[in-house]
Amino acid sequence: EVQLVETGGGLVQPGNSLKLSCATSGFTFSTAWMNWIRQTPGKRLEWLAQIEDKSNNYFISYLESVKGRFTISRDDSKSSVYLQMNNLKEEDTAIYYCTPLQLTTEGPGGFDFWGPGTMVTVSS
Amino acid sequence: DIQMTQSPASLSASLEEIVTITCQASQNIGNWLAWYQQKPGKSPQLLIYGTTSLADGVPSRFSGSRSGTQYSLKISRLQVEDIGIYYCQQASSTPWTFGGGTKLELK
Repeated sequence: EVQLVETGGGLVQPGNSLKLSCATSGFTFSTAWMNWIRQTPGKRLEWLAQIEDKSNNYFISYLESVKGRFTISRDDSKSSVYLQMNNLKEEDTAIYYCTPLQLTTEGPGGFDFWGPGTMVTVSS
Repeated sequence: DIQMTQSPASLSASLEEIVTITCQASQNIGNWLAWYQQKPGKSPQLLIYGTTSLADGVPSRFSGSRSGTQYSLKISRLQVEDIGIYYCQQASSTPWTFGGGTKLELK
């Protein structure tokens, strides 16, 4: 059974930092392209970052608006992915999910497994 | 970035009714389109990928189609358990982008 568990969320003041972790099991993490996606209080879904696997040199992509503030990383030995978030803003308030990108024989599919997410609230 | 415009934003339908939700891509994304269902209080779940392929365990009353850059999700006979928010997402190129969502309620 595939499991993803996001941790590290909480209440933080604007300008501060937070590091999210995502522990996974039940699938071959080392070949997975891992992503962070957030859902705002208004229910909008926003993709943030992706880290590919070792065979693709751990290539990283970011949403332009978080580039330079957010850093995605992974530890294949722990089947875990992380999101370091710096200089947080009130608009970063959201539920944060990690999810693997489904890779079909034709190419990218969708995000086929989701954890419960971790809530991040940025407020003074 | 590729913009995904989803409609309607909300929809009220009766049990057993046919429901259709559409998503318009701002440019050609081929068949790289996925649909998700989010039930109240739960995380999103993949319904359809590659425009028409059902994810594992998804009932056959769900189907997807495409006409040019317009994509549709159809629920052939609405059931109580289908209530929730539906999202489309383009899987053509990063940044992966989502539609704004369609809230489906029972009439």
